Amino acid sequence: DIVMTQSPDFLAVSLGERATINCRSSQSVFYSSNNKNSLAWYQQKPGQPPKLLIYWASIREFGVPDRFSGSGSGTDFTLTISSLQAEDVAVYYCQQYYDTPRTFGQGTKVEIK
Amino acid sequence: QPQLQESGPGLVKPSETLSLTCTVSGGSIRSISHYWGWIRQPPGKGLEWIGSIFYSGNTNYNPSLKSRVTIFVETSKNQFSLKLSSVTAADTAVYYCARLSLIAVPGGGWIDSWGQGTLVAVSS
Repeated sequence: DIVMTQSPDFLAVSLGERATINCRSSQSVFYSSNNKNSLAWYQQKPGQPPKLLIYWASIREFGVPDRFSGSGSGTDFTLTISSLQAEDVAVYYCQQYYDTPRTFGQGTKVEIK
Repeated sequence: QPQLQESGPGLVKPSETLSLTCTVSGGSIRSISHYWGWIRQPPGKGLEWIGSIFYSGNTNYNPSLKSRVTIFVETSKNQFSLKLSSVTAADTAVYYCARLSLIAVPGGGWIDSWGQGTLVAVSS
């Protein structure tokens, strides 16, 4: 299995400040046939299912605010929230869809400092 | 986006079979652009991909669960279902059904629609 490791596990950021979450895969998830990285990011609020934010490592899902951005390639990826809002308090997960089984990171909990 | 709704028993006895159904509304399960899948989340823990299916019946399962899992589609009802046999307390989780994007790799890509989830407890 491809192991996805996120850091940090917990992040406290002041309102309006930048939040950065890292995700590392145990092997490359770069899909050479389309030159894209098979990596998605999700946001999960308490009592709710996850919500897709980013796919192909950097493409923002329709309707997702542009303060959310994804970057990285190969085995190292980053989700950035450029200006943290109160409604961004949640757990964030990365997921690879390069190989079976699809696997998720352990999650990063983001709170307001 | 379609609406997905899980249904099934909230309590299953150890060694028995967990059965859940996902009803898709606002979209066809015969979509040539999507897979359909199941993901679970033990209370207070992270997400685990169980498996996925294309409307034609092609399936992909998590190897760690493959010997106990069956996912199948009922296109006439616009539903797909999960069966997990020989359950133990470790199978207690919120089970989500989901729609996955179609990509060149079998099994589906990112998950763009989720059901609300249903908690299944395994206990005698």
